[in-house]
Amino acid sequence: AQKITQTQPGMFVQEKEAVTLDCTYDTSDQSYGLFWYKQPSSGEMIFLIYQGSYDEQNATEGRYSLNFQKARKSANLVISASQLGDSAMYFCAMRPKITSGTYKYIFGTGTRLKVLA
Amino acid sequence: GAGVSQSPRYKVAKRGQDVALRCDPISGHVSLFWYQQALGQGPEFLTYFQNEAQLDKSGLPSDRFFAERPEGSVSTLKIQRTQQEDSAVYLCASSIGTVGNTIYFGEGSWLTVV
Repeated sequence: AQKITQTQPGMFVQEKEAVTLDCTYDTSDQSYGLFWYKQPSSGEMIFLIYQGSYDEQNATEGRYSLNFQKARKSANLVISASQLGDSAMYFCAMRPKITSGTYKYIFGTGTRLKVLA
Repeated sequence: GAGVSQSPRYKVAKRGQDVALRCDPISGHVSLFWYQQALGQGPEFLTYFQNEAQLDKSGLPSDRFFAERPEGSVSTLKIQRTQQEDSAVYLCASSIGTVGNTIYFGEGSWLTVV
């Protein structure tokens, strides 16, 4: 069965500093995809970044990058130059195996990030 | 529309009432998902539609929960005889293709059962 683990319930970072949010996953599939979402207090889940298991390079999107270590089954999110608006919950997620007949994207329990001025 | 739209944003229901939550996905998106998110938790899968077909309803917690997407666009999640444990945020998401694509969420419907 697939599983996502986020071990940091909360994190603090100083404005303009970089921060790493941890995510480990468990799957027996060779082909899989990992996502990070941001959820501000308003409630909307905002897609940030995607990493495919066969992608040779780590994904980057602006200030977001994904530190993908396949052998360790980790997909940590790195936010560079933190801004006050980055304060939110962050969720790591995995898509279902395409041939599995299931459609359940699974999510971790999230990490609450607080950026300090 | 530009994004996934959900209504109502906030709903307070008395225990035992029926509620209906609406989701308008991104135009042209084939896949539609409903998730339930309890306070302080990650989203939990409820059900999945591919066009009008409900292909996976394995996450619906009881037969009080019912979802439909009759014309393959707008979807409604109905909860009958609401109970306090149904209090949660109900998130709708859509994706352009079938399984595997990025899913985009709406702002959620916050349900409180009193």
